[in-house]
Formats: sequence, C-alpha cells, structure tokens
Amino acid sequence: GAGVSQSPSNKVTEKGKDVELRCDPISGHTALYWYRQSLGQGLEFLIYFQGNSAPDKSGLPSDRFSAERTGGSVSTLTIQRTQQEDSAVYLCASSSSGEDPEAFFGQGTRLTVV
Amino acid sequence: ELKVEQNPLFLSMQEGKNYTIYCNYSTTSDRLYWYRQDPGKSLESLFVLLSNGAVKQEGRLMASLDTKARLSTLHITAAVHDLSATYFCAGGRDDKIIFGKGTRLHILP
Repeated sequence: GAGVSQSPSNKVTEKGKDVELRCDPISGHTALYWYRQSLGQGLEFLIYFQGNSAPDKSGLPSDRFSAERTGGSVSTLTIQRTQQEDSAVYLCASSSSGEDPEAFFGQGTRLTVV
Repeated sequence: ELKVEQNPLFLSMQEGKNYTIYCNYSTTSDRLYWYRQDPGKSLESLFVLLSNGAVKQEGRLMASLDTKARLSTLHITAAVHDLSATYFCAGGRDDKIIFGKGTRLHILP
C-alpha cells in the first residue's frame, strides 16, 4: 500500500485478555518502530526493528509486551494479560535507511482496556 | 541515551504573530525530525534535518538545526489558525527515533 497500515483502528478488550496489534509498513522500508501515546501525552518508544538485525526492545514497559516482525515486513505487537494502564494509542512507523530517513506513521490503534 | 526536550510545552498566540519552538537534545543525534499532530490524528512528517546548519521551509514553517548547540528550532511566521496543532521534535540516533513531549500550539483567530 501507499502508507503505513495499522489494524485494528480501535480495540476494546477486557482486563486480563491478550491483544495483538498489526502494522504493515511501507513496502521496501527496512526500519519499523512501535510507540505508545497516552491521552494528551508524547510518544513513548517501545521497540525498533531494522532489517534482519535483532530488535531494540529497550522501550518495552514489561514482559507482558512483545513484538515480532515476520519476513522483514509485517509486525505484530502483542500485549498479554492487559491492564487498564495499557490503554493508549499504539503507533507504528516505518522508514528506509540511507540518505532519506524520513519516518512515516500509521493511523494508530486505539486500545481501551475495560 | 538520547533525550529530547521541547519548550514551550504550551503556546497560545495571536494570528499574524511570529514565534519559535525550541528543541534541545542531549547527545549526538544523526538527524532531527519535526512532526505535526492534529487532535485524534496520527503524526504528519514536516521536516527531516540531517546536517549542521540545515534549514528547511514549508509555507509559514521553517526548521533549522545547530548540531554544535544540539538545538533545533521551528519558526512560525505570521501564524494562522490552521497551524493550531501539537508539534513534536524527535532525534535520531543509531536508527532509534526519540520524541520530545510536544508543543501544543493554539493560534487565536
């Protein structure tokens, strides 16, 4: 597709359930980022993938959070045993490496844990 | 660890006025990004600055980068109401992109 695509756009889940959020980056982009944005706040870095290298997981807030990227393209962010404080908008971005490192964001997934 | 600080965090200004948003970062950054976010929307890329002294302009917005001072600025010229939004700067280091807290800009008609 032309841009970064995220699904679902909205997700309401019960506390304790697991959720999976999907990000489909721009074709050819080697770098993929996940961020979390709580209401009215800035962007909190979660995890970063670059090509086939091991991901930078330094921003994941707890071991309930994990992410994978299959075939260097689509990424899935999984939150296990969701808590109310996990409620936020989860944003994905992708960029190419090299001379044009501009990073483009998807529309985000709004997660509400009830 | 790269840290990015913006100021001011909130800014209310009159149409027609000029103002500058400042972005300081803590360690060497490979590049500096500016984004715009409207309420309930995702982030729109405005500028990417790659080298010391880089200046980019788009309409009423102009961004500059001083790598020696570890400072980037976003200057707004003759503000109009449509520029009301939250503006984020972000630093890139080792391919990781770290964001500031954002500047919420409200332009009064």
